Formats: sequence, C-alpha cells, structure tokens
Amino acid sequence: DTEVTQTPKHLVMGMTNKKSLKCEQHMGHRAMYWYKQKAKKPPELMFVYSYEKLSINESVPSRFSPECPNSSLLNLHLHALQPEDSALYLCASSQAPTGAVGEQYFGPGTRLTVT
Amino acid sequence: GQNIDQPTEMTATEGAIVQINCTYQTSGFNGLFWYQQHAGEAPTFLSYNVLDGLEEKGRFSSFLSRSKGYSYLLLKELQMKDSASYLCVVDSNYQLIWGAGTKLIIKP
Repeated sequence: DTEVTQTPKHLVMGMTNKKSLKCEQHMGHRAMYWYKQKAKKPPELMFVYSYEKLSINESVPSRFSPECPNSSLLNLHLHALQPEDSALYLCASSQAPTGAVGEQYFGPGTRLTVT
Repeated sequence: GQNIDQPTEMTATEGAIVQINCTYQTSGFNGLFWYQQHAGEAPTFLSYNVLDGLEEKGRFSSFLSRSKGYSYLLLKELQMKDSASYLCVVDSNYQLIWGAGTKLIIKP
C-alpha cells in the first residue's frame, strides 16, 4: 500500500468554526508532513513529525494545531481561521529522516475554503 | 539565502522532447528531487539525484551537476497527459527547498 489518504476532500468553514483535517498512511513511514499550497505556488511546509514527535514548526500561526496520535495518523486542527487561509492542504509521508529527507508520498489534499 | 530557479512556463509538441532546467544555490545539498503536479492534484515523485550524472526512468530522465548547481528533467515522447507543473526540490541539510515549478503545456 503506497497510498496516503486525506479526509475530507473539500471543506468550507466559517471563521468561528473548529474543524480537523485527517491524514493516514500505512507504509511504515516515520516522518509525516503538513503543507499548504496556494494556487500556482509550490507547497509551503507547515509542520514535520518525526517518530510521532513534532520536529519542525515553520512559524505557523497558532490557529493551526497539528497532532500525531500514532505513527499512521496525522491531524491538523483548525480554529478561528482567516479567509487568506483558504488553500489546498497536503499531507505527505517519507521514511524516517535519518539521513536525507527522501522521497515523499503525498495525499490528494483537502481543498479548504474559509468564508 | 536559498534559491531555486526554473522557467515559469514551457510549451512543447506531442511526441517531441523537452528539457526543463533547474539551477539552485543552497547552503547544503543532500539530493535533488523532481515532482510532477497536475492541476488541482497532489505532487507525485518522479526522480531523485544525489550523485552527478544521468538517471533514466522510462520516458523521464534527470541529470545533476553538483559543481554547477544545475539539474534538468528530460521528457521524451511527450504525451498530452504530461501537461502539468514540474517542481525541482533540493534537500538542503534535511530542509526541502521547493522551486516555484515549471508549467509544461503540450500541444497536439
């Protein structure tokens, strides 16, 4: 199984809502990533979990809160978002980053619209 | 600073060959990736180069020259489905630096 799954595919939320994005992989990868991608731009790294511990937080606002319940699951909790947070949110995984980062496998993404 | 340059857009004809160039200036180098991304979809891995030279994988090949900070992705026998963005990504001291991507348009 070389698939990363993400739910939901689409999400529309108001600025006062609380929602969560979910990501799952069963490849035994020990590094998992959240990216944000705006139209016609490359993905921007938000968070990296390595062996279920947060290893990189790229100065992301606190209205985004990541969680890694176990080695297969990654969540992104959303609260009090702004319209400019509307984007495609991508989850990715790779083998444990003991050396170079390695090939990343991406999920299909969640298209988020904040109204 | 860390910087990756690649052309914004290229156009090629179905059945032809196209070369997408990437130059980089990064503080470290652990390898270079090429990803393909169709509009509205997630990136998919195409190739990885860590040593100088050419890596061939079917219709796609990728070349690296570390001394020149240069890579290219070569696509042969172009098909309409190759219309996508191609992203050059450098692993710089275990931090991924993403290029802005090259949008490749294939014409019949």
